[in-house]
Amino acid sequence: SQQGEEDPQALSIQEGENATMNCSYKTSINNLQWYRQNSGRGLVHLILIRSNEREKHSGRLRVTLDTSKKSSSLLITASRAADTASYFCATGPTTSGTYKYIFGTGTRLKVLA
Amino acid sequence: ETGVTQTPRHLVMGMTNKKSLKCEQHLGHNAMYWYKQSAKKPLELMFVYNFKEQTENNSVPSRFSPECPNSSHLFLHLHTLQPEDSALYLCASSQGSQPQHFGDGTRLSIL
Repeated sequence: SQQGEEDPQALSIQEGENATMNCSYKTSINNLQWYRQNSGRGLVHLILIRSNEREKHSGRLRVTLDTSKKSSSLLITASRAADTASYFCATGPTTSGTYKYIFGTGTRLKVLA
Repeated sequence: ETGVTQTPRHLVMGMTNKKSLKCEQHLGHNAMYWYKQSAKKPLELMFVYNFKEQTENNSVPSRFSPECPNSSHLFLHLHTLQPEDSALYLCASSQGSQPQHFGDGTRLSIL
């Protein structure tokens, strides 16, 4: 089964608006991470939230985690054109102690100037 | 600059060719990863190495052969690939269970 399914698949907003992306997963996790990928580049880590945390902030980013619903959300406030990218959630490593991170298909965000 | 360098950035090869992808990390991390990224599909984990030892092989066809000579270098040897193997191949590294650092990938096209 696939972990880390992001919703929506694509999102287009105006500069200055907030962008919210959601992630659902299926099994128990130790932590959940969000990454950004600009076109033609590798993924860049944004923020990590542990399973015993409910909310975390980093600059204009706010991440929530609901382990009872197996879901997380990423909020980007006051978006900028430079935020245009794909955003991925990733679960892992699994409790087995391996380094097996599982990523979703991502949300493509387009911020219009 | 992420500290993870992949070469080449682009590669076009025929199905009968043999080529290798290279990844080098300058971060002192102990774990290195190969991922395949295809359009509209989740990022697929291929291999994981921890202190040069392979700890994960995600049912990858034998036409992909990884090599990890030391904790800083990771190779992916390619042989007799298929058109469906065309994708972006990403290398990443991490220190233990810390977040991963990715290279910018090799865009592979199979003719």
